[in-house]
Amino acid sequence: DAKTTQPTSMDCAEGRAANLPCNHSTISGNEYVYWYRQIHSQGPQYIIHGLKNNETNEMASLIITEDRKSSTLILPHATLRDTAVYYCIVRVEGNQGGKLIFGQGTELSVKP
Amino acid sequence: NAGVMQNPRHLVRRRGQEARLRCSPMKGHSHVYWYRQLPEEGLKFMVYLQKENIIDESGMPKERFSAEFPKEGPSILRIQQVVRGDSAAYFCASSPRRSGRDNQPQHFGDGTRLSIL
Repeated sequence: DAKTTQPTSMDCAEGRAANLPCNHSTISGNEYVYWYRQIHSQGPQYIIHGLKNNETNEMASLIITEDRKSSTLILPHATLRDTAVYYCIVRVEGNQGGKLIFGQGTELSVKP
Repeated sequence: NAGVMQNPRHLVRRRGQEARLRCSPMKGHSHVYWYRQLPEEGLKFMVYLQKENIIDESGMPKERFSAEFPKEGPSILRIQQVVRGDSAAYFCASSPRRSGRDNQPQHFGDGTRLSIL
């Protein structure tokens, strides 16, 4: 699975949009981009995933560049409860093991 | 619609004892994954199981660790003769079919915190 690069930490003001970048320059054509987050002492929470088109759900939007070498997770109106570590993961369809490979993620702090 | 259930939430064992961690997947999910998170470290994949089969155990330590997912009942992660270095949070995830196929994400439980005295 392709490796991802994320900033170690970011701050965001409450009520503003949080834009979390992820670089995955070695992504292959059949690899999806997944985003999870982990709020302190809880299990990882699935947020969203996509292949090449932008995606939106009730939690967030995922913007994938046309060359697919990077993506941005957007939390449109961040709240204090969005403070968490956010993980960007790329994985191939049909991966035999099904495993997720977590990097260090981005620690997002939403401040009042 | 219950999520992935793990128990116990906290488990304390003395060195040399056995630890058993249980995971009940979401309803309709037949694939289970175990991950470990050591203190101040990221999540690491351990093992992937379907009912009665181990599909990928590439992340499992070679000794003392085993996992099963019987036809009936929860998945069990078993650690024999625990040592201090086994202290960690152990997370279980499930998916309705092999994660990645048909874009099925894994959904996680809230983990078991294992402490070794």
